[in-house]
Parts: sequence; C-alpha cells; structure tokens
Amino acid sequence: NAGVMQNPRHLVRRRGQEARLRCSPMKGHSHVYWYRQLPEEGLKFMVYLQKENIIDESGMPKERFSAEFPKEGPSILRIQQVVRGDSAAYFCASSRRDGYNEQFFGPGTRLTVL
Amino acid sequence: KQEVTQIPAALSVPEGENLVLNCSFTDSAIYNLQWFRQDPGKGLTSLLLIQSSQREQTSGRLNASLDKSSGRSTLYIAASQPGDSATYLCAVQRTGGGNKLTFGTGTQLKVEL
Repeated sequence: NAGVMQNPRHLVRRRGQEARLRCSPMKGHSHVYWYRQLPEEGLKFMVYLQKENIIDESGMPKERFSAEFPKEGPSILRIQQVVRGDSAAYFCASSRRDGYNEQFFGPGTRLTVL
Repeated sequence: KQEVTQIPAALSVPEGENLVLNCSFTDSAIYNLQWFRQDPGKGLTSLLLIQSSQREQTSGRLNASLDKSSGRSTLYIAASQPGDSATYLCAVQRTGGGNKLTFGTGTQLKVEL
C-alpha cells in the first residue's frame, strides 16, 4: 500500500511564475490536507479538502493560493505569481473517510523561488 | 486559539539514555494528539496517536501519555539510539476544529555515540 505521494519533490520557480504541487492520498483515503513549513517556523495548516469540496481553507493566504481535489486525479495546490516568501516545504497529508483519524504525511515538495 | 508548545527545543543525550519530550497545549478541547518525527529534509512519520479518551499509547521503545485536563502530553523514549536523532513534533486535533492539526514548535533530538 503506497503512502501519500507528492510531486515534484523539489520545484524551482522565478518570481512571478506559477507553481503547481500535486498530492495523491493513500489508497482508501478521501480527506486531504495541505500544510506549509516556512524556514525556521513550524508546520501550519493551509487547507482541508474532500473530493470536489473545500471543507476548511482558513489557513490559506487570501490571494494567489488555491487548492482543488477533483473527482479523478490528485489534489493540486496552486500558487500564482510566486514571491520569495513562498519558498517553503509544502506537505500533504491524508486520512480515512471518517475524518477524525490519524493523518499520514507525504515527503513534501520543497519550493524555492528565485 | 490553540497554541502548542514543546520543551526543550533541543536535546542532546548519550546513547542508551531514557528521555522525555514534553508537549503542552492551551485548549483542552482536543479530539486527539499525534506525535511525529521529522528527519532533515524529509516528511513526517507518524509515531503514536492518542485519542482524547485514552491516557497513553505504546509502540516499541516509545510511550506517549496524555493529560487532557492539564493540557500536557509526554513522549518517553527508552534506551535511545543514534537512529532516534530527529525532530519530534506533537500535534493536536481540536474537537469541532475541522480536522486540521495544530503543530508544536518541535524538539530537535541528537543521540550521540
């Protein structure tokens, strides 16, 4: 049973470009969460999604960031017009259908904005 | 607003020592608490999950306890090994909080030969 998969593992973008981060949850998991770990800071919640629904986006910056989890395919975290302050490790986690359960994390995508 | 604090921030011990990592949280209305380890440049590995109705969980050399009323959890590592060197994070899931985890600040552990 493969774990949570994220790609790419490393992503380099220049200021103003778009970044697309992908997350495939564990088999049988229908809840996906995105967290961000800024340099020298702790992990912070960004958004919680179920298939085709955003459940909680209280941690998502209001501008330039969006997330989706379509009926088919991986969850996508999209950052438009990236700035240097977006450089961070972005982690995806998934949990089982009933929500209040152990979250399993992917290896993360390390975004560097030049 | 839930705040999670971990002490110490860093810890260096000789191999074989038993050690305790501490986690405290300000809002006791939690559904569960998870302990993770994070290796440099890597993702998070879930170590133990304690439901709010439980007092402790054990896995191998690891034992985690939870005192919800006082807002504290401890992770006990027995007979530490160099392979235990990592950053240890605790995270709480608040009741009615929409399933998101609030993470602590982490304890960076180094076990020396």
